[in-house]
Amino acid sequence: EAGVAQSPRYKIIEKRQSVAFWCNPISGHATLYWYQQILGQGPKLLIQFQNNGVVDDSQLPKDRFSAERLKGVDSTLKIQPAKLEDSAVYLCASSFRGGEAMSYNEQFFGPGTRLTVL
Amino acid sequence: GQQLNQSPQSMFIQEGEDVSMNCTSSSIFNTWLWYKQEPGEGPVLLIALYKAGELTSNGRLTAQFGITRKDSFLNISASIPSDVGIYFCAGTSMDSNYQLIWGAGTKLIIKP
Repeated sequence: EAGVAQSPRYKIIEKRQSVAFWCNPISGHATLYWYQQILGQGPKLLIQFQNNGVVDDSQLPKDRFSAERLKGVDSTLKIQPAKLEDSAVYLCASSFRGGEAMSYNEQFFGPGTRLTVL
Repeated sequence: GQQLNQSPQSMFIQEGEDVSMNCTSSSIFNTWLWYKQEPGEGPVLLIALYKAGELTSNGRLTAQFGITRKDSFLNISASIPSDVGIYFCAGTSMDSNYQLIWGAGTKLIIKP
């Protein structure tokens, strides 16, 4: 079974430029997550999709970040314009379904995109 | 917001030694998870714990869900070179709307 695919693996941009990341989840997984992982920290959830609907985007900086999953399969995350503090690894994960009250649905992570903003 | 305090931040050990790391929270969690992340890769789930007091093993790894539901530990016995990486605890709770809250990680380095 193929894992979560992400591209590009690395991206270097200057501040105020735009950037987009792509994620293709594991086939059949309804739930897709985008995380931001700053060096030396654990991942922080940016947005969660269930099929093509947004479940949670409370920590997404909506003035500059946007994400979509139009057909309920692959997804893109965009930053426009980028700031220096956006330098991080952006991880995509998918699960068969979302987390529920008394159980946890294992999230499978892609390799991430390492973004450097100069 | 909710936070998980993970310690130690890093560990330098000799091959063959046992390793212990833990995670604490000021609030109750319903689920505790332990992940490992290697350079250039995403985290991989090692052990998931769902009940207070639960003790679960996965090969040389053992993890426990604390009785108070506010802590968890991970032990690795007889460490080997491929154990090198960053270990993260993570948990879910009603307060987090069952989203994963992550610790800052424990970096495991094995001395030659």
